[in-house]
Amino acid sequence: RKEVEQDPGPFNVPEGATVAFNCTYSNSASQSFFWYRQDCRKEPKLLMSVYSSGNEDGRFTAQLNRASQYISLLIRDSKLSDSATYLCVVNISRGLTGGGNKLTFGTGTQLKVEL
Amino acid sequence: GAGVSQSPRYKVAKRGQDVALRCDPISGHVSLFWYQQALGQGPEFLTYFQNEAQLDKSGLPSDRFFAERPEGSVSTLKIQRTQQEDSAVYLCASTYSGRNQETQYFGPGTRLLVL
Repeated sequence: RKEVEQDPGPFNVPEGATVAFNCTYSNSASQSFFWYRQDCRKEPKLLMSVYSSGNEDGRFTAQLNRASQYISLLIRDSKLSDSATYLCVVNISRGLTGGGNKLTFGTGTQLKVEL
Repeated sequence: GAGVSQSPRYKVAKRGQDVALRCDPISGHVSLFWYQQALGQGPEFLTYFQNEAQLDKSGLPSDRFFAERPEGSVSTLKIQRTQQEDSAVYLCASTYSGRNQETQYFGPGTRLLVL
């Protein structure tokens, strides 16, 4: 079983739709949680960190449920420019002299926003 | 430069050939990570440096893979006797100190194809 699991998609949605991505992680010692965005043939870029209290950044809302080991990302009013792969990422901090801030990625969920 | 740079951007190698991939982290960043991303997958951790010290190499898939960062800045990932299964994008990332929740900044990657 992979440490971080995501539905690979693709999710094909019309412009303006609301779309939700889910992710589960297996290691209960995970401490930090993120969503990264990766455009085709580009490097991953941090979209947002995820907190138990939930956090919002414009049209994007992320939520963490530690009890269920579940992470979500909601995109409202989707734009053509939101088309990308969304990577769910967790970190088990091992301290600077251990493994540092090693990230564990899911396989990514592909989103295609269409006219 | 302002970001993480990697070279070469593309590398085609014949099976059995040795390759060397270079990463220039953001100036002043002490933590450096290498990841391997196979087609359709998320990045997977290979190794981690804190300055010149390689503190975690648990993700290196075999003893054909070797990484170094002798002066605590530029890093080189070397793959000896390349195999077809080594074909992937190799991503380098850096952070200022490596502490928890710090953003990892990724380079554009080196796309390696082994024939």
